[in-house]
Amino acid sequence: QITLKESGPTLVKPTQTLTLTCTFSGFSLSARAMGVGWIRQPPRKALEWLTLVYWDDDKRYSPSLKNRLTITQDTSKNQVVLTMTNMDPVDTATYFCAHTTGKRGYFDYWGHGTLVTVSS
Amino acid sequence: SYEVTQPLSVSVALGQTARITCGGNNIYSKNVHWYQQRPGQAPVVVINRDTNRPSEIPDRFSGSNSGNTATLTITRAQVGDEADYYCQVWDSDYVVIGGGTKLTVL
Repeated sequence: QITLKESGPTLVKPTQTLTLTCTFSGFSLSARAMGVGWIRQPPRKALEWLTLVYWDDDKRYSPSLKNRLTITQDTSKNQVVLTMTNMDPVDTATYFCAHTTGKRGYFDYWGHGTLVTVSS
Repeated sequence: SYEVTQPLSVSVALGQTARITCGGNNIYSKNVHWYQQRPGQAPVVVINRDTNRPSEIPDRFSGSNSGNTATLTITRAQVGDEADYYCQVWDSDYVVIGGGTKLTVL
């Protein structure tokens, strides 16, 4: 059974760097065709895809945010880490991590999400 | 950059058929995936690769994709189908998600 869980700060200040961790089980990110992505959702707004990483360390980023995002994987810990720099109040959102199989696919398993508020 | 367009809202009478569209230039050439998101919950995929329905999803849900429009169809709509629905595609090297459609069952 595949599960994912997001963890990290619930409150960050403007200009700070956000670091979120996705801890997963039920698969290995070193296994062929596996991938983990991050998607966020501001309150009462639409989903927005941010980034993902595949088993072969192929990484994809949202064109509009790529200068602020970094995704890394730690296969020994079954974790994927999202870093977003220069946080702003408009970045207040629920951040989800999700599993995908194969390149250019869909997200078949999701974490519950974690709400991050950006405020001074 | 590629964009997909969804109606903000769709209403359907209880027991009738709802159709939610996802428009994009030559979207027929892309695989379209559909997610259902109930309030306070994470999204759940209800249709993948245009027409494939995961085994746990009721067969009242179906998908199609032709020309510039992909469609999620929900037959015999139930109160439990009230949710936000999102379509998702890939464009080149990145994921594109629609703005979402709120389905109301009257």
